Amino acid sequence: QKEVEQNSGPLSVPEGAIASLNCTYSDRGSQSFFWYRQYSGKSPELIMFIYSNGDKEDGRFTAQLNKASQYVSLLIRDSQPSDSATYLCAVINTGGFKTIFGAGTRLFVKA
Amino acid sequence: GAGVSQSPRYKVAKRGQDVALRCDPISGHVSLFWYQQALGQGPEFLTYFQNEAQLDKSGLPSDRFFAERPEGSVSTLKIQRTQQEDSAVYLCASSSELSGSRLLNTEAFFGQGTRLTVV
Repeated sequence: QKEVEQNSGPLSVPEGAIASLNCTYSDRGSQSFFWYRQYSGKSPELIMFIYSNGDKEDGRFTAQLNKASQYVSLLIRDSQPSDSATYLCAVINTGGFKTIFGAGTRLFVKA
Repeated sequence: GAGVSQSPRYKVAKRGQDVALRCDPISGHVSLFWYQQALGQGPEFLTYFQNEAQLDKSGLPSDRFFAERPEGSVSTLKIQRTQQEDSAVYLCASSSELSGSRLLNTEAFFGQGTRLTVV
C-alpha cells in the first residue's frame, strides 16, 4: 500500500462545475496535509494546507480532512480551464521531516 | 533571491558519468528538501536539511547519491556513476519553517527543477 494514494484520473469536468479530488494516507500519526497544483513541465505550487478535522475554505477551493478515515479531499468550485493541471496531495509524516506526495490526479476542465 | 533557483535546468549525462545539481534556496530559509520526480509520478522525497545539518537522508536511493549544504544556504545533489534509472526531474524546495514542528503548515517553495537524462 502506498503511503499517499490518489486516483490518477484524468478527471474531466465542464467549466463551472465542481471538481472533487480525493486522497487517502496510511500514516495515522500524520499531522499536516497539503494540496499542490502542478502544471505540465512546471514545479508544484501550494494551493492549501489543512491540519484540523473539518473543512477549510479559500476562495474557490475547499480542503476537507477526516483523520479517522485518513482521508483528505479538495473541492474546486466554478472550475475554470486554467484549473486544468495535476493536483498533488502531500502529507508530512509522523517523524516530521518527510513530505510524502501522492502520484497526483490529472484534472481537465472543458470550456 | 526572489525564488528557489536550480541549475542546470537540463542535464544530459552518459551512463557512468558523475553529475552535480545545484539549488539556491530563498535567502534565509532554514529548511531545504530534495525530491526526485519521475514522469507521471509525484515527487519522491530524497533528503532534508535544516540549515547545514542533513537530518533525513532516508530517501536517497543508493550510495551513489550524496547531498550537502555546507554553509546552510546553497545545496548540491551529487549523483555518481549515473544509471538510466536516475533519469528524472530533481526538485529542490525551501521553507522558512522548521520541519518536524507539529504546527508545520507553511509553504515550501519549489525551484523549477533539473531534468536529468542519462543516455
